Amino acid sequence: SAVISQKPSRDICQRGTSLTIQCQVDSQVTMMFWYRQQPGQSLTLIATANQGSEATYESGFVIDKFPISRPNLTFSTLTVSNMSPEDSSIYLCSVETGANEAFFGQGTRLTVV
Amino acid sequence: GENVEQHPSTLSVQEGDSAVIKCTYSDSASNYFPWYKQELGKRPQLIIDIRSNVGEKKDQRIAVTLNKTAKHFSLHITETQPEDSAVYFCAASKQAGTALIFGKGTTLSVSS
Repeated sequence: SAVISQKPSRDICQRGTSLTIQCQVDSQVTMMFWYRQQPGQSLTLIATANQGSEATYESGFVIDKFPISRPNLTFSTLTVSNMSPEDSSIYLCSVETGANEAFFGQGTRLTVV
Repeated sequence: GENVEQHPSTLSVQEGDSAVIKCTYSDSASNYFPWYKQELGKRPQLIIDIRSNVGEKKDQRIAVTLNKTAKHFSLHITETQPEDSAVYFCAASKQAGTALIFGKGTTLSVSS
């Protein structure tokens, strides 16, 4: 397993602003992923954070709205840009420790007002 | 791409009964099928997983079965307890390094 620290744990933001969420892992991992979980819903993959290259985004998510950084094998950030109330959600980072097994950070609960 | 369907969306059982949650997947290339438990306000926790070369796996009161031909897999919880109450998600992925695709979740309520 891996110990994953995600911050902030929650935030309330004004519409039109941006929030950067950080994800730190206690060991080097090849694959990191960002998910969104809207209230009472399942987890939807936003993007795969690739070390040393641009993130790979899923359909419906774009880099201008959700820029991602992956400067090394233990750290990644997700920015939610130009926020609107529809962006209110829980954002989770996930790491794969090998052989497919994936573990999650504690999540960031974002409320946009 | 992969699509994972999960049923039922809600399940209520009495303490001591068994609970079964079923999932189907669409991509025959998927070969890894984990189950996660998510308690209110907490992160999803991996509880059991199965790979395509195995038909069944058991861990104490929890078991998972896989039918690759039919492309479905199931979670079985026996002797349910109130602390089993949570949302359960199934997921599927292909080779190592690819992301998990999740089902919509099942809210399990165990009443004493």
